[in-house]
Amino acid sequence: ETGVTQSPTHLIKTRGQQVTLRCSSQSGHNTVSWYQQALGQGPQFIFQYYREEENGRGNFPPRFSGLQFPNYSSELNVNALELDDSALYLCASSSKRRGSGNTIYFGEGSWLTVV
Amino acid sequence: ELKVEQNPLFLSMQEGKNYTIYCNYSTTSDRLYWYRQDPGKSLESLFVLLSNGAVKQEGRLMASLDTKARLSTLHITAAVHDLSATYFCAVDHNTDKLIFGTGTRLQVFP
Repeated sequence: ETGVTQSPTHLIKTRGQQVTLRCSSQSGHNTVSWYQQALGQGPQFIFQYYREEENGRGNFPPRFSGLQFPNYSSELNVNALELDDSALYLCASSSKRRGSGNTIYFGEGSWLTVV
Repeated sequence: ELKVEQNPLFLSMQEGKNYTIYCNYSTTSDRLYWYRQDPGKSLESLFVLLSNGAVKQEGRLMASLDTKARLSTLHITAAVHDLSATYFCAVDHNTDKLIFGTGTRLQVFP
């Protein structure tokens, strides 16, 4: 139990649709990062949010966007879904506060299938 | 560009045997992480290694870090079936933005 919760756990969307995935970070953690993990591959960094601002982005197109709220929870939005967007989307929670430790905790993930 | 490579990609081992998974990374990194992933599940944190020569052990797993060689190892002692999973190493530059390796799928059989 990491204290990082994601929703929904599974969803199926049609190509061209839009999807919103949600993440609640662990208590005391002010940084949320999102990763995409395609089947049989390692997770790929999408972007990170710190204090409600985007703080770095991986090699993903602009149709991948996000938000972080004052309570540090976060959303990942994907527009114009493509078949290749089918993957496990993982939210990671961490803290940049000094002395907070170094472990980065992952939620259970959201399985997205695009048909 | 920071790259992370693991080998082997797939490891089939008999119960009771020892083996090592290797993780090489291309540029200087501040932190090295090891995660375990069971099929259809999320990532479980195993170890965080922060400095050269760091060694951590938990049960049958021991991780070490050589920052000069840019190499981390995950050693498995007397493997049991419950260790069957995919193991990932990941690195970052103290940014919490992880670059993952390709993963090592471990299968332990009787």
